[in-house]
Amino acid sequence: GQQVMQIPQYQHVQEGEDFTTYCNSSTTLSNIQWYKQRPGGHPVFLIQLVKSGEVKKQKRLTFQFGEAKKNSSLHITATQTTDVGTYFCAGQEGTYKYIFGTGTRLKVLA
Amino acid sequence: DTEVTQTPKHLVMGMTNKKSLKCEQHMGHRAMYWYKQKAKKPPELMFVYSYEKLSINESVPSRFSPECPNSSLLNLHLHALQPEDSALYLCASSQGPGGGTTIYFGEGSWLTVV
Repeated sequence: GQQVMQIPQYQHVQEGEDFTTYCNSSTTLSNIQWYKQRPGGHPVFLIQLVKSGEVKKQKRLTFQFGEAKKNSSLHITATQTTDVGTYFCAGQEGTYKYIFGTGTRLKVLA
Repeated sequence: DTEVTQTPKHLVMGMTNKKSLKCEQHMGHRAMYWYKQKAKKPPELMFVYSYEKLSINESVPSRFSPECPNSSLLNLHLHALQPEDSALYLCASSQGPGGGTTIYFGEGSWLTVV
């Protein structure tokens, strides 16, 4: 079945530094979603990318979908302590089934 | 604030107990999900209901029994669980076929099996 890997597994950054997490799928994706889960919290939807090569921005967050629709990235500019959490990508397999990536845990040091 | 409400937030149960997790959404969504999440792992899909019918069962052991009484409610009945079933159980919903695929998660029920 489909596998979705994320790197890095962990990232510690100083506040103000940039951060990037990469998501790679073993199969071509129809779309990809990104979620953020704060420590002790639940996953919260951030964005969905559908088109090949698509780039979307949300304030300091930039999301990209690869040309081959097998990879994606999330870049955070000038991290803040509020960015702490685990970032998951999720690729769609069938109507209802999203395969979550392994996640990248971000710690921001003040 | 999430629009998917789960109760209880915390549950401790013995291996011979029977308990239930409950989930409610009032967004008019027609698809509802149960996910299981172990510490430092991604959510794993357990069950999906579409229009109140079980659509996906990811080969979940029969000691977990889902129920969808109506389009707003989703239950997960628990019986004879094992300590390794201790996890965060997340309920979620989405609009359903033809609608958006954004998954809205509840805050989860933390389950400890002793």
